[in-house]
Amino acid sequence: GQNIDQPTEMTATEGAIVQINCTYQTSGFNGLFWYQQHAGEAPTFLSYNVLDGLEEKGRFSSFLSRSKGYSYLLLKELQMKDSASYLCAVSDSNYQLIWGAGTKLIIKP
Amino acid sequence: EADIYQTPRYLVIGTGKKITLECSQTMGHDKMYWYQQDPGMELHLIHYSYGVNSTEKGDLSSESTVSRIRTEHFPLTLESARPSHTSQYLCASSAGEFSGNTIYFGEGSWLTVV
Repeated sequence: GQNIDQPTEMTATEGAIVQINCTYQTSGFNGLFWYQQHAGEAPTFLSYNVLDGLEEKGRFSSFLSRSKGYSYLLLKELQMKDSASYLCAVSDSNYQLIWGAGTKLIIKP
Repeated sequence: EADIYQTPRYLVIGTGKKITLECSQTMGHDKMYWYQQDPGMELHLIHYSYGVNSTEKGDLSSESTVSRIRTEHFPLTLESARPSHTSQYLCASSAGEFSGNTIYFGEGSWLTVV
């Protein structure tokens, strides 16, 4: 079966760095996505990785290792507005997105 | 980012009523989706479409139906609403393989059935 695993909840301090991990087992791979979802709102696109390595976009970076079935989202200089759920999703061989359950990130002052 | 619009944003209706949730996108995306998500819970795909006259059921069994008569429009209909249908419904679209199938979501429709 297809499976995406990510921690349920993480807590971090304002101004710090946090890494949210995602491991996956899917039938085929056409890229991995990270989305941010604030409570009561729709998910918004953060990043897309299809090749191994690190993609940096401002305070957010996303890393992919296809051989290990592993990705992480790195958030630097955390701000209170970064409190949200972060969803990992993999595009399988049919370009269907398989979604993780999301990681709820709590930022404390 | 895709321009994708959902109406209504919030709706409270009585049991047994028929309701259609509207979704339109202006990006010319071929693929469109409906997800259902309860607060704090996972996204569940209930319907999707590859293009005009194409509709498929998703992973989560749903009593709703969809239609795709025009590329930009993908409405979802509940013939007889029940309290168990109370949830957030998210419409999404993507350009397909060209963008790795990056999905862009509408703002969501919150449905409460009383």
